Amino acid sequence: TQLLEQSPQFLSIQEGENLTVYCNSSSVFSSLQWYRQEPGEGPVLLVTVVTGGEVKKLKRLTFQFGDARKDSSLHITAAQPGDTGLYLCAGVDGGSQGNLIFGKGTKLSVKP
Amino acid sequence: DVKVTQSSRYLVKRTGEKVFLECVQDMDHENMFWYRQDPGLGLRLIYFSYDVKMKEKGDIPEGYSVSREKKERFSLILESASTNQTSMYLCASSFEAGVSEQPQHFGDGTRLSIL
Repeated sequence: TQLLEQSPQFLSIQEGENLTVYCNSSSVFSSLQWYRQEPGEGPVLLVTVVTGGEVKKLKRLTFQFGDARKDSSLHITAAQPGDTGLYLCAGVDGGSQGNLIFGKGTKLSVKP
Repeated sequence: DVKVTQSSRYLVKRTGEKVFLECVQDMDHENMFWYRQDPGLGLRLIYFSYDVKMKEKGDIPEGYSVSREKKERFSLILESASTNQTSMYLCASSFEAGVSEQPQHFGDGTRLSIL
């Protein structure tokens, strides 16, 4: 069974600080997706990483896919209160027709 | 923009009732999914469908059934609601099967309470 472990589970920081969220597995994934879920809403896709070693940037967010395609990280520079939310990583389940396996999420709170 | 619409944001039902949760997407997506989201447990897949009238069990199908009579609509049915089915229910859709990088588009969820 493929599993994705996210850490930390909770993160509370001040505005302007940097942070990194990790998504790890013992299994290889063909791609990994990162979603953000704000309170009262469904998850929204931020980025998909496909190639081992790939780095993608989305403004202050930097996403990296591990060389072996077993792990990924999300780094936020100079966090803002608007970054508050639940960050979920999701990998494509190789045993299915493309279903996603989700990590349990990192709940980020950025205080002004 | 893709829109996935869930019929209710909040729903309160009683134990033993038959409960219907409706989901409609407007982008002609082949795939549709039902998840439940619980604190500390993340998103767990209940059922999914890759085509009209087709359904597959996910990781936690017990106590649930689904219906997909039209491509745009995917319904989740709680046959006899129980208190342990109190949860946030999320519907999602995506493009065709086999395209593994396709993102899932989620509705805003239905927070269901079973009393």
